[in-house]
Amino acid sequence: GNSVTQMEGPVTLSEEAFLTINCTYTATGYPSLFWYVQYPGEGLQLLLKATKADDKGSNKGFEATYRKETTSFHLEKGSVQVSDSAVYFCALTDTNFGNEKLTFGTGTRLTIIP
Amino acid sequence: ETGVTQTPRHLVMGMTNKKSLKCEQHLGHNAMYWYKQSAKKPLELMFVYSLEERVENNSVPSRFSPECPNSSHLFLHLHTLQPEDSALYLCASSQGPGATYEQYFGPGTRLTVT
Repeated sequence: GNSVTQMEGPVTLSEEAFLTINCTYTATGYPSLFWYVQYPGEGLQLLLKATKADDKGSNKGFEATYRKETTSFHLEKGSVQVSDSAVYFCALTDTNFGNEKLTFGTGTRLTIIP
Repeated sequence: ETGVTQTPRHLVMGMTNKKSLKCEQHLGHNAMYWYKQSAKKPLELMFVYSLEERVENNSVPSRFSPECPNSSHLFLHLHTLQPEDSALYLCASSQGPGATYEQYFGPGTRLTVT
């Protein structure tokens, strides 16, 4: 079955540091990949997505590249801000078999210190 | 504000109580979802409704009973819960069922079963 593995948190960084949150996946078909963000007290919001190999999703300074050869979709940001403190979820959907459920990772809590 | 509201935001209930969670979406979407978010576990999809018909039930115990009276409202009726059911319950909606369409999440109901 499909699964998503992301680095365990919590991750604590200083403002303006470089961020990487690792995500790898297992899927039986041709998945689309997503990063969702959950700010304190709120629901999940779609941050970015990529639908095929070598695609790069980007939003709000965050980027992630769909790497089929390494089955990875690592989230990066060059200079984090305090407002980026949140929980980040990697997810996939495998559309090959008509099963379009989102499969989520466990989430990575990110805290940015001023 | 994502257009998906949930009430109550916090709920404490005993194992013999009966309570209901409510979700309302103001986005004109046709699909609605219930997810369970537990600490250090991936989000678990519980139920999916499309045009008020249940299309997915991920082997959820019968003590959780969903109801979708129309495309804007979704309820989760709870009875004789267990302490391990304590979690954040998230509602989401999308234009159609499945992850081809972006899902918009509500802020969740934090449930504590005593």
